[in-house]
Amino acid sequence: EVQLVESGGGLIQPGGSLRLSCAASGFTFSSYWMHWVRQPPGKGLVWVSRINSDGSSISYADSVKGRFTISRDNAKNTLFLQMNSLRADDTAVYYCARYSSAYHATDNWGQGTLVTVSS
Amino acid sequence: DIVMTQSPDSLAVSLGERATINCKSSQSFLYSSNNKTYLAWYQQKVGQPPKLLIYWASTRESGVPDRFSGSGSGTDFTLTISSLQAEDVALYYCQQYYTTPHTFGQGTKLEIK
Repeated sequence: EVQLVESGGGLIQPGGSLRLSCAASGFTFSSYWMHWVRQPPGKGLVWVSRINSDGSSISYADSVKGRFTISRDNAKNTLFLQMNSLRADDTAVYYCARYSSAYHATDNWGQGTLVTVSS
Repeated sequence: DIVMTQSPDSLAVSLGERATINCKSSQSFLYSSNNKTYLAWYQQKVGQPPKLLIYWASTRESGVPDRFSGSGSGTDFTLTISSLQAEDVALYYCQQYYTTPHTFGQGTKLEIK
């Protein structure tokens, strides 16, 4: 069974940093592209970033470019999102999701981790 | 960026009736190399992560009931629930995977009338 488990969220002051992790199991992690998507409280889904299977190709939303860094450790089956210079509008539930290159869609999502940026 | 616009923002349908959600994109995203449209539909129930329903605009994900169907091409797409069930109450999103940023529609809230 595919499992994606996010961790690392919490309350952080504006300007601070957090590192989110997504532990993957039940599939060959190193073969899949991975995405981060966020959802501000009571609002819609917003795509954040994606990374290809070996980490050589990365893309970001403009709203996080230069502040967030996506990475992965295929030996540890883990996806990361390093978030720096956090702002109040980064407050959201952050989901990691597996991308199916066969279907060209994200077919499995974690339960999400809440990041709250507030003083 | 490709802008995805869903309509309506909310929808109330009687049990057993048809529900139709529309998604319009600011540009077409048909991959000529494989003739596939990289559009997906997701269902999100309260307190849960999104669930993939439809990919390639019209192909149902494994395990998704056949009352859910996707259609459309070019810039106009539709998600149809042929006979609404109580468990279909949720938010529904379209998303394009043609190019980054992989933009979502703003979501449509589906309720029981």
